[in-house]
Amino acid sequence: DVKVTQSSRYLVKRTGEKVFLECVQDMDHENMFWYRQDPGLGLRLIYFSYDVKMKEKGDIPEGYSVSREKKERFSLILESASTNQTSMYLCASSLYQGSRTFGSGTRLTVV
Amino acid sequence: AQSVAQPEDQVNVAEGNPLTVKCTYSVSGNPYLFWYVQYPNRGLQFLLKYITGDNLVKGSYGFEAEFNKSQTSFHLKKPSALVSDSALYFCAVRDEGSSNTGKLIFGQGTTLQVKP
Repeated sequence: DVKVTQSSRYLVKRTGEKVFLECVQDMDHENMFWYRQDPGLGLRLIYFSYDVKMKEKGDIPEGYSVSREKKERFSLILESASTNQTSMYLCASSLYQGSRTFGSGTRLTVV
Repeated sequence: AQSVAQPEDQVNVAEGNPLTVKCTYSVSGNPYLFWYVQYPNRGLQFLLKYITGDNLVKGSYGFEAEFNKSQTSFHLKKPSALVSDSALYFCAVRDEGSSNTGKLIFGQGTTLQVKP
């Protein structure tokens, strides 16, 4: 089975901190994605990557950046965390046009 | 532009009864449609997808979904609900003509509550 592993299940950070969320997949998928999930809003795409060092903005990229230096790893960076970035963050990967495999999520609280 | 709507925030059903979770979509080309399920404190799990072919798609855990092009719907169904089916369900769509990365648009989610 494909595994997508997110490094932290729960994270509490202070306003203004730089925050790194890490995601690793073990099945050589080309595509990787970062979503945030908020009640009533479903999943919203922050950034995605279709190859190493390649990235594209999703629907809500403001306040975030990403890094993909290796195929298996896709990092989400909050440059200066703010309270409105308190959310559940989900990483996913897929083959070309395949269904997504999701990680278990990181619940981030910014205080 | 692509969009997907799940008109019900919550669906309640008694165990053993059939269940339906509704989804409608809008795309400019042919749709690729997906259903995912999320159990508490977990990531999303893939249930089933429609790409082409038979309008009735069978998926995991006894779920199926019916693609209806004229009504632009892709409702999730199960003949006999289980308490363990209680979870949050997401419908997602992508346009056949969208880029290689297959950007999916997710609905807002429907909470399914199955009571014993």
